[in-house]
Amino acid sequence: AQSVTQLDSQVPVFEEAPVELRCNYSSSVSVYLFWYVQYPNQGLQLLLKYLSGSTLVKGINGFEAEFNKSQTSFHLRKPSVHISDTAEYFCAVSDPGGNDYKLSFGAGTTVTVRA
Amino acid sequence: NAGVTQTPKFQVLKTGQSMTLQCAQDMNHNSMYWYRQDPGMGLRLIYYSASEGTTDKGEVPNGYNVSRLNKREFSLRLESAAPSQTSVYFCASRPRSGGTLYEQYFGPGTRLTVT
Repeated sequence: AQSVTQLDSQVPVFEEAPVELRCNYSSSVSVYLFWYVQYPNQGLQLLLKYLSGSTLVKGINGFEAEFNKSQTSFHLRKPSVHISDTAEYFCAVSDPGGNDYKLSFGAGTTVTVRA
Repeated sequence: NAGVTQTPKFQVLKTGQSMTLQCAQDMNHNSMYWYRQDPGMGLRLIYYSASEGTTDKGEVPNGYNVSRLNKREFSLRLESAAPSQTSVYFCASRPRSGGTLYEQYFGPGTRLTVT
């Protein structure tokens, strides 16, 4: 199974400041990469995904992520955060080699946006 | 569409009691998954079902059983609950074709406490 490391467990940030959430995965073979967001007391919602093609991926709510194959990283960024971005963010990896596309998740990064 | 629904939303059990968590999806998805979410550990796969009539173990299957009742429903059963099974349980589903082939869609979760 893939191993996913989210390097920061908590990220406090002021409103309108930029934020970067770091994600590294274990495998050097082709993978599919995802970022999910979980707002308080809710399920997970897909923010963006990388399957192939351009290494810069744009998602919902102004988020984007950059795939770096040589560094096995998929970091998430937003240039200016809002209070409503307070949530937990999960990086996930799927191995396209199998048929089941099971996801391996990182431990999560809690983003707290302050006014 | 309701998407992925889960019942109950909350449950408190005593050690040794049994219960079944219900999950249903109305998106005509073939694959369904059960995860547990624990603080600092992200989501871990308990069981999954690639199609109606098939189930397979995930990363943490011990103490659980599943039933894929039909294409829509995938239930998770705890035969003899233990405090270590206190967690938030998420059900997810995934299509087998189309533009969102690799995306999993999550339910709102069931928060289970075992005392």
